Amino acid sequence: EPEVTQTPSHQVTQMGQEVILRCVPISNHLYFYWYRQILGQKVEFLVSFYNNEISEKSEIFDDQFSVERPDGSNFTLKIRSTKLEDSAMYFCASTGTSSSYNEQFFGPGTRLTVL
Amino acid sequence: AQSVAQPEDQVNVAEGNPLTVKCTYSVSGNPYLFWYVQYPNRGLQFLLKYITGDNLVKGSYGFEAEFNKSQTSFHLKKPSALVSDSALYFCAVRDGWGGGNDMRFGAGTRLTVKP
Repeated sequence: EPEVTQTPSHQVTQMGQEVILRCVPISNHLYFYWYRQILGQKVEFLVSFYNNEISEKSEIFDDQFSVERPDGSNFTLKIRSTKLEDSAMYFCASTGTSSSYNEQFFGPGTRLTVL
Repeated sequence: AQSVAQPEDQVNVAEGNPLTVKCTYSVSGNPYLFWYVQYPNRGLQFLLKYITGDNLVKGSYGFEAEFNKSQTSFHLKKPSALVSDSALYFCAVRDGWGGGNDMRFGAGTRLTVKP
């Protein structure tokens, strides 16, 4: 069964450093998403991406964040200058169509620890 | 904006007993409701969804959920719990009236099924 994959599973970085989280969505999917979950809190939407551009973003997704689909398979989330409060689990998701009644398929997550 | 509440952080049941994991929602339009499960070191896995039609929806692994519009609830149920059902369960909602792509999640409920 096809699945979303994410690397690395755990990333430790120093405050102020740039990090790139990588995702490989399901191959025939067209819509991609990033979510995050701060420890003990709810899963929060960050951004959705379609046709090589951001289609929606939340208030969390400020200028420190960016997303990119550099090739036909990868989907990345970049944090330019990490802050302590960026420490969280980051989930990538994908879906074949944008219909709001379609479920999204999630990756296993990357745990980001900012020291 | 849409939101979801899962009032219980933890649910404990004995194997073979029925289980219920509660979820209430708030949307301005039509609710599209989803349940996901997360096992350790895995991504969120889709269980079931309600879009329209019958209020009782059936999903994977014997789970079902009942949509109750008057109570704005979408509780997850299973008639006979298994130890292997122990996991973290998330309820999520989208606004079906132009609510976009973002999915709003609850904080999650940890289900523990004891032998």
